Amino acid sequence: ETGVTQSPTHLIKTRGQQVTLRCSSQSGHNTVSWYQQALGQGPQFIFQYYREEENGRGNFPPRFSGLQFPNYSSELNVNALELDDSALYLCASSLVDSYEQYFGPGTRLTVT
Amino acid sequence: DQQVKQNSPSLSVQEGRISILNCDYTNSMFDYFLWYKKYPAEGPTFLISISSIKDKNEDGRFTVFLNKSAKHLSLHIVPSQPGDSAVYFCAASLGRGSTLGRLYFGRGTQLTVWP
Repeated sequence: ETGVTQSPTHLIKTRGQQVTLRCSSQSGHNTVSWYQQALGQGPQFIFQYYREEENGRGNFPPRFSGLQFPNYSSELNVNALELDDSALYLCASSLVDSYEQYFGPGTRLTVT
Repeated sequence: DQQVKQNSPSLSVQEGRISILNCDYTNSMFDYFLWYKKYPAEGPTFLISISSIKDKNEDGRFTVFLNKSAKHLSLHIVPSQPGDSAVYFCAASLGRGSTLGRLYFGRGTQLTVWP
């Protein structure tokens, strides 16, 4: 059974640029959630995807967007990067009818 | 608005002793609670969970207690081992299903188990 994988591991971008982060779900999981973890904070929910559609969004602006593909993998896109977007971005997969979510190792994004 | 709170940023325990990590929540609609463990450079790893209809769940050295009237839960680790040293996150869910499946996390507690 393959766990959740994310790419890239680290990324450095300049303010105003755009970034795409990628996630592959754990085998058999049909739901993907994205979280942002700032330094010293717990993960904050960005949004969740199920059946290739967004289902639920946290308190994040529209410049955070995502996609889910037929194989359940997912992308997180962030436009017009700001310094405060610097954080660890975590992807989690699950079954839609399950409480437990299983996390990938994250992508560390630094915006300068 | 932090609906899940872990008020102790750190805890230091001697190997073999009990570790007790605490978590408080404000939303009485939470119906499921989870604990995750996180090592540096890794994602959170699911540890143990409890439904709101129970007051205790045990899995090996790990036990979670839920006190709904106090909106409080705790994770007990007995006996503590040096490999348990990590950041522990408390998380809560409003329900299952496509629109309720988000997790609300606390800020975490750094547990250090020393020999």
